[in-house]
Amino acid sequence: DTGVSQDPRHKITKRGQNVTFRCDPISEHNRLYWYRQTLGQGPEFLTYFQNEAQLEKSRLLSDRFSAERPKGSFSTLEIQRTEQGDSAMYLCASSPPTGYTEAFFGQGTRLTVV
Amino acid sequence: LAKTTQPISMDSYEGQEVNITCSHNNIATNDYITWYQQFPSQGPRFIIQGYKTKVTNEVASLFIPADRKSSTLSLPRVSLSDTAVYYCLVGERGKLIFGQGTELSVKP
Repeated sequence: DTGVSQDPRHKITKRGQNVTFRCDPISEHNRLYWYRQTLGQGPEFLTYFQNEAQLEKSRLLSDRFSAERPKGSFSTLEIQRTEQGDSAMYLCASSPPTGYTEAFFGQGTRLTVV
Repeated sequence: LAKTTQPISMDSYEGQEVNITCSHNNIATNDYITWYQQFPSQGPRFIIQGYKTKVTNEVASLFIPADRKSSTLSLPRVSLSDTAVYYCLVGERGKLIFGQGTELSVKP
């Protein structure tokens, strides 16, 4: 399967712990996006990368959330000192160098903070 | 980024044609219009994209009037498996901003 891969698929953590998620985009896709989605809401933009450069990020990522894409390939999203409100589906997507807004999404990582 | 407005929900029956309209009054010259479909517990899936007039693929058609201030996603002969949330996005390359989407429910 050459689609966007996210790991883990599910994560349960205790409040206050740090968690890290990984995303492997489709090969040769230079753009990578992270989103967060809660029940009944559309995906909420977190950040996106073009190659290794983080071009834009929401205000949410200036606090306990951080994302990296060290070599322009896979990406990690870390949440420090998790809170119950962080419970959500975290989605990663990638898009190719050409084209406009066609992005390919992974299956997501479902985070539950207890 | 142009804001989009869609109906929150729609109901249909199997075999009918479904049209979901999205308003985007502030669309910019370089913006494209893209529709995604999302099933529960899955990531969104690209359906169709257009700039103006009409675009058709094996899944859907997208109608865009000359002023581009709205667009209509047309799903021909829907089946139960088309029950999902449909999102309209407007923008150029860069971050993709999702709204609330339209929850389509197809009944037998």
